[in-house]
Amino acid sequence: GAGVSQSPSNKVTEKGKDVELRCDPISGHTALYWYRQSLGQGLEFLIYFQGNSAPDKSGLPSDRFSAERTGGSVSTLTIQRTQQEDSAVYLCASSLEISSTDTQYFGPGTRLTVL
Amino acid sequence: GENVEQHPSTLSVQEGDSAVIKCTYSDSASNYFPWYKQELGKGPQLIIDIRSNVGEKKDQRIAVTLNKTAKHFSLHITETQPEDSAVYFCAPYSGAGSYQLTFGKGTKLSVIP
Repeated sequence: GAGVSQSPSNKVTEKGKDVELRCDPISGHTALYWYRQSLGQGLEFLIYFQGNSAPDKSGLPSDRFSAERTGGSVSTLTIQRTQQEDSAVYLCASSLEISSTDTQYFGPGTRLTVL
Repeated sequence: GENVEQHPSTLSVQEGDSAVIKCTYSDSASNYFPWYKQELGKGPQLIIDIRSNVGEKKDQRIAVTLNKTAKHFSLHITETQPEDSAVYFCAPYSGAGSYQLTFGKGTKLSVIP
């Protein structure tokens, strides 16, 4: 079946602009995760959702970052007033349930470049 | 939180040889241990995983072994092929009550034809 999809695949923006990144999880998956991959920091966790709620926002790097999920499906990660250090690949993953043993399946990522 | 170390950072092998990548973790409550393969321009793809109630799991040329006492698990690839060239990540869950994967720094595997 269809995997996790993300859009856009690439996004170039100017410093100070807002951006929205979209994630469409695997159908039926209740848990959704956002990670960021950058050269300096590797792969780091940002936030996860169980259904529409986000119990753990500890990984968001600043209050410029926010995420929401509506209808238990699509999620949007918003970065306000982008900075050059926000340049990275933003990865979304989903799993069937929230569990410390459930497999997370990743999308192809959105490459964000802040000029 | 979980501390994860992955070795080596780069690995070059001749086609047909075996490759082994090791991952150590710190949280004794961790009980799920996946390995991901990432090719250039793509997201990480799960290749094999193991849960803490078993010590070894095999899937064709790929195997994972787990030593919970020593808190490490390893990826074994036999009869390597050029298409195995990629970056491999271990990513144990951060332990009880946490649902985030903590990724190692990655191992860049190059299989030389």
